[in-house]
Amino acid sequence: AQSVTQLDSQVPVFEEAPVELRCNYSSSVSVYLFWYVQYPNQGLQLLLKYLSGSTLVKGINGFEAEFNKSQTSFHLRKPSVHISDTAEYFCAVTRTGTASKLTFGTGTRLQVTL
Amino acid sequence: DVKVTQSSRYLVKRTGEKVFLECVQDMDHENMFWYRQDPGLGLRLIYFSYDVKMKEKGDIPEGYSVSREKKERFSLILESASTNQTSMYLCASSLAEYEKLFFGSGTQLSVL
Repeated sequence: AQSVTQLDSQVPVFEEAPVELRCNYSSSVSVYLFWYVQYPNQGLQLLLKYLSGSTLVKGINGFEAEFNKSQTSFHLRKPSVHISDTAEYFCAVTRTGTASKLTFGTGTRLQVTL
Repeated sequence: DVKVTQSSRYLVKRTGEKVFLECVQDMDHENMFWYRQDPGLGLRLIYFSYDVKMKEKGDIPEGYSVSREKKERFSLILESASTNQTSMYLCASSLAEYEKLFFGSGTQLSVL
């Protein structure tokens, strides 16, 4: 079975600063990886996904993530955050061949302040 | 855009009651899912369905059942609600394998 670890439960950052949200996964087989974001009082929405090809994946709202197979990581980055990026971010993984049965991490709360 | 609608935003029930959580999607998606979200635990998959009348257990199906009689509707049933089922319940749908999930806004269920 696969699992996901999000190492930081909360990440405080000042506006316009860079941010990295960490995600590590565990699986004995090939995986697909996803980042979802949940804004306050809203449902989750997809930020980006890695299925194959380039290991650097660009998503919406200026976010990007890099798949690193040797380190089993899929860290999310943004070079300059905005107040509106305040939200909870979830990393998710699924084994190839298991359709959309995602396993989610415990989430990282990104708090952007002035 | 795809809309996933959950029937109630907040729900309060008593221990032992039978509870129905309804979810409707409007884009003819094949796949539908029920997750529960708890602080510090993230999202955990309860049940999912790939087609009408088809269902598969997720990671935490105990105490729950589901029904999918029509493609657009996926219901989660708590046969006898217990206090440990107090949680945020999220419904999601997707068009195909590995396509993104579209989530509803969630139902916060409190079981007293």
